[in-house]
Amino acid sequence: DTGVSQDPRHKITKRGQNVTFRCDPISEHNRLYWYRQTLGQGPEFLTYFQNEAQLEKSRLLSDRFSAERPKGSFSTLEIQRTEQGDSAMYLCASSSQRTVGSIAFFGQGTRLTVV
Amino acid sequence: DAKTTQPTSMDCAEGRAANLPCNHSTISGNEYVYWYRQIHSQGPQYIIHGLKNNETNEMASLIITEDRKSSTLILPHATLRDTAVYYCIVRPGTGANNLFFGTGTRLTVIP
Repeated sequence: DTGVSQDPRHKITKRGQNVTFRCDPISEHNRLYWYRQTLGQGPEFLTYFQNEAQLEKSRLLSDRFSAERPKGSFSTLEIQRTEQGDSAMYLCASSSQRTVGSIAFFGQGTRLTVV
Repeated sequence: DAKTTQPTSMDCAEGRAANLPCNHSTISGNEYVYWYRQIHSQGPQYIIHGLKNNETNEMASLIITEDRKSSTLILPHATLRDTAVYYCIVRPGTGANNLFFGTGTRLTVIP
């Protein structure tokens, strides 16, 4: 148990619907990352928060995707008007700026299936 | 974005040491080497990291060459539960940069 919690673990949605995922990081971690992983590929970076500020976004994060981290605690990732190509595992990770090496610990992910 | 090169797959006999190589010839002075593994359908699991000295923890050992251009992750006594995809990643230790995973090495531990 790494301490990073993601909800839900699985989500099936119809194409065109909106979905929202939640990530609760390890409590003392001020950095939070979202990744996406498709079958047979390694995780790909989507976006990164330091406290409540979203400091980096990948070009993979289209305008249908939005992430927030109000108050620098939990984070949500919303996908609007889902497409079948959005089917993937969405992973969240957190790390502390204060520890040497700033190790990122991952949650178990949310598996999204768009039908 | 790829900063590391790993073999696509490896096999290891159960109970033997698994030695997973990684080349990172363009590593910068402030970049650490991190190893993660991912068991099917689970999130990546942190294993170990290092800057220039060899490191050991309860899971594995990390051997980094003196020029830091390559490293080897050693699982001393592989078990079936070590079957996973292993990722070698280089990144500044400040953590302000994301982790680039690549495709990793698929390790299969054989009974």
